Amino acid sequence: SYELTQPPSMSVSPGQTATITCSGDFLPKHYCYWYQQKSGQAPVLVISKDSVRPSGIPERFSGSKSGTIATLVITDVQADDEADYYCQSPDRSATYPGIFGPGTKVTVL
Amino acid sequence: EVQLVQSAAEVKSPGEPLTISCKASGYTFGSYWIGWVRQMPGKGLEWMGIIYPGDSDTRYSPSFQDRVTISADRSVNTAYLQWDSLQASDTAMYYCARHSGGFDSWGQGTLVTVSS
Repeated sequence: SYELTQPPSMSVSPGQTATITCSGDFLPKHYCYWYQQKSGQAPVLVISKDSVRPSGIPERFSGSKSGTIATLVITDVQADDEADYYCQSPDRSATYPGIFGPGTKVTVL
Repeated sequence: EVQLVQSAAEVKSPGEPLTISCKASGYTFGSYWIGWVRQMPGKGLEWMGIIYPGDSDTRYSPSFQDRVTISADRSVNTAYLQWDSLQASDTAMYYCARHSGGFDSWGQGTLVTVSS
């Protein structure tokens, strides 16, 4: 079955940059979406269609994609950015909207 | 303002049926896909399936195809997730979410606990 791969965790100091990757064989063909989930809360869409930032999401969040790897970048990391981050993309059949990656736990030191 | 309000937490015994709901407001219900997402305790997000209320077109993740039924009632702007026979492994938080360039609006979640 199709899978998206993310690093399980990362630590970053306040003010630094966090870079989270998501890899999948069908990413070149389909959009990637990114979600932030803080502890005890519902997820929030932070990046749509590879690189579109929804209304209300800080400019510190940006997305890109190259080949089979999509990337979420958080610049000037703040304590409030500590959360789990999930990528999402359709699978080979383009079943809409698709599977989630396993998530990356971002810890702000 | 788009809002998705889910039904309250449930505690059930194995083998019991269950339907949970997701009531939408603030937009044209029939014009957007609504999906369901499972999150087991301490685990990640799992896409279960999605429905287009406009014509009831429904698609399931292979992992959930034979376990749940997704439906929608346009007359009350509500989507549903149904089990015929719960198992202990169904214990999880379940979210509904509207799809518009990704899941752009989420319900607050419904916690389902299945225990004997």
